[in-house]
Amino acid sequence: DTGVSQDPRHKITKRGQNVTFRCDPISEHNRLYWYRQTLGQGPEFLTYFQNEAQLEKSRLLSDRFSAERPKGSFSTLEIQRTEQGDSAMYLCASSSGTSSSGELFFGEGSRLTVL
Amino acid sequence: GQSLEQPSEVTAVEGAIVQINCTYQTSGFYGLSWYQQHDGGAPTFLSYNALDGLEETGRFSSFLSRSDSYGYLLLQELQMKDSASYFCAVRVGGSARQLTFGSGTQLTVLP
Repeated sequence: DTGVSQDPRHKITKRGQNVTFRCDPISEHNRLYWYRQTLGQGPEFLTYFQNEAQLEKSRLLSDRFSAERPKGSFSTLEIQRTEQGDSAMYLCASSSGTSSSGELFFGEGSRLTVL
Repeated sequence: GQSLEQPSEVTAVEGAIVQINCTYQTSGFYGLSWYQQHDGGAPTFLSYNALDGLEETGRFSSFLSRSDSYGYLLLQELQMKDSASYFCAVRVGGSARQLTFGSGTQLTVLP
């Protein structure tokens, strides 16, 4: 298993454009999370999927953000009409849900720069 | 809401022992986790404490006191490769029992 993979690793876009990030979790993991991390801060929870169902969304996730996990495998995070404040690292994580520690396995992230 | 406090920076020399403290305020507490993140890398899981006491994993140990809302990560026999950011994270309620992370402690290990 290659772990959690994210694509693209870097994205530079102009304000107002739409961007989409993809996450491929560890194959046997049914739980998938999106987090956002800015420089010098810890990851902030955005949303959570169990299989294909989006079960929780943070108040940080404005209407411009949408996430999907259509077949319970990979997930996409789309940001519409990007703003400079959206510049951050977008991290995806997955877990099996069976570990008592709740260990999350993170990808290396997709870094978004909005000009 | 939840809040966590940890020192922003710690510096130590190779071979030394360092302790990174974390205090938290939260509701629906399930446990305290620690993650390591090297520059440009993914956060990786180090340890988890659900009950009071010390958990040891090799050179790393983690402690929790639920009554004091306090925990720490202890790193022994420091190596240069331990230079990284260390995040404490509380596992809270909800269906996701998602993690709420602190702002992180940047550890620098000097030769």
